[in-house]
Amino acid sequence: EAGVAQSPRYKIIEKRQSVAFWCNPISGHATLYWYQQILGQGPKLLIQFQNNGVVDDSQLPKDRFSAERLKGVDSTLKIQPAKLEDSAVYLCASTQRAGTYNEQFFGPGTRLTVL
Amino acid sequence: SQQGEEDPQALSIQEGENATMNCSYKTSINNLQWYRQNSGRGLVHLILIRSNEREKHSGRLRVTLDTSKKSSSLLITASRAADTASYFCAWGYIQGAQKLVFGQGTRLTINP
Repeated sequence: EAGVAQSPRYKIIEKRQSVAFWCNPISGHATLYWYQQILGQGPKLLIQFQNNGVVDDSQLPKDRFSAERLKGVDSTLKIQPAKLEDSAVYLCASTQRAGTYNEQFFGPGTRLTVL
Repeated sequence: SQQGEEDPQALSIQEGENATMNCSYKTSINNLQWYRQNSGRGLVHLILIRSNEREKHSGRLRVTLDTSKKSSSLLITASRAADTASYFCAWGYIQGAQKLVFGQGTRLTINP
């Protein structure tokens, strides 16, 4: 079974530039998550989708971050414009369904460096 | 902050020894999970314990949960060099939707 795919793996941009990350979850997984992991910290949830609807985006900085999940499969996370403090690893995860006792499957992440 | 604490932040032991990591959280939960993260395999789920369970085993892993103290521990027995990684607890609760909040992690180093 293929895992969660993410691209690109690495991205270096200047502050105030824009960047987009792509995620393809495990086939059949209805719930998709985007996390931000700053060096030395645990992952922090940015947004959660159930199929193509947003379930939780309470911690998404909506003035600069946006995400979509068209057709309930792939998802894209965008930052526009980027700030220095956005340097982090962006992780995508998926679960088969939204429920209480589900493990999350994570992709390899995209390491973003903002200069 | 919604994030609890993991203790210790870093742990270095000899191969073959046991490693214990602790996690404390701040809210009522319905489950607690442990994940491992290393550069080779990314973030991987290890074990899940439900709030009505007190102890769970999986291979060399033993997890305990004390909901009265809002704490959990992960024990890795007979450690191996391949166990070198960061370990994160994540507590699950419902607030509208099912949420999962990760701790800060424990960096475990197994010395050969």
